[in-house]
Amino acid sequence: GNSVTQMEGPVTLSEEAFLTINCTYTATGYPSLFWYVQYPGEGLQLLLKATKADDKGSNKGFEATYRKETTSFHLEKGSVQVSDSAVYFCALTTTSGTYKYIFGTGTRLKVLA
Amino acid sequence: DGGITQSPKYLFRKEGQNVTLSCEQNLNHDAMYWYRQDPGQGLRLIYYSQIVNDFQKGDIAEGYSVSREKKESFPLTVTSAQKNPTAFYLCASSSGGSGINQPQHFGDGTRLSIL
Repeated sequence: GNSVTQMEGPVTLSEEAFLTINCTYTATGYPSLFWYVQYPGEGLQLLLKATKADDKGSNKGFEATYRKETTSFHLEKGSVQVSDSAVYFCALTTTSGTYKYIFGTGTRLKVLA
Repeated sequence: DGGITQSPKYLFRKEGQNVTLSCEQNLNHDAMYWYRQDPGQGLRLIYYSQIVNDFQKGDIAEGYSVSREKKESFPLTVTSAQKNPTAFYLCASSSGGSGINQPQHFGDGTRLSIL
């Protein structure tokens, strides 16, 4: 079946450090891939997406590239800020006939000033 | 602005009581979803609906019920059969249909606690 695996957190970084959060997936068909961010007490917000192999999604300094050969969609940011502290979820959806989205377990990021 | 509205933000349930969580969207989306999130955990799918008057069980449907009488609305009832209802509940919607690869949009959640 379809699944998403994220690196376990928490990830603790100093401000201006480089961020990588790993995400790998298993899926039939041609999945679309997403990163969402969740701030405390709030719902999930779409951060970026990629719908086909080699696509790069980007937003607010975050980037992720859809790598079909390694079934990965790692999230990166060159210089994190305290305001980036949140939980990040990797997710996918497929054209398999159901309208279900598969989420990873989330990775908590804490950025220290 | 279009979006998803969940209410109330906080809800308390007494033992043996059913409670209903509201979810309304004005995005004209066909598909709607309910998730449960426990502290430090990911999202678990309770129910989803692809179209009005139709819905399917997700991974943890026991103790919950839903209805989809209108495209804009997808209320969730937490019944007394749900023995551990304390959690953060998230409603989401997506285009569905030809927009199957579009992202979900989420509400701000309802936090349910037991009195």
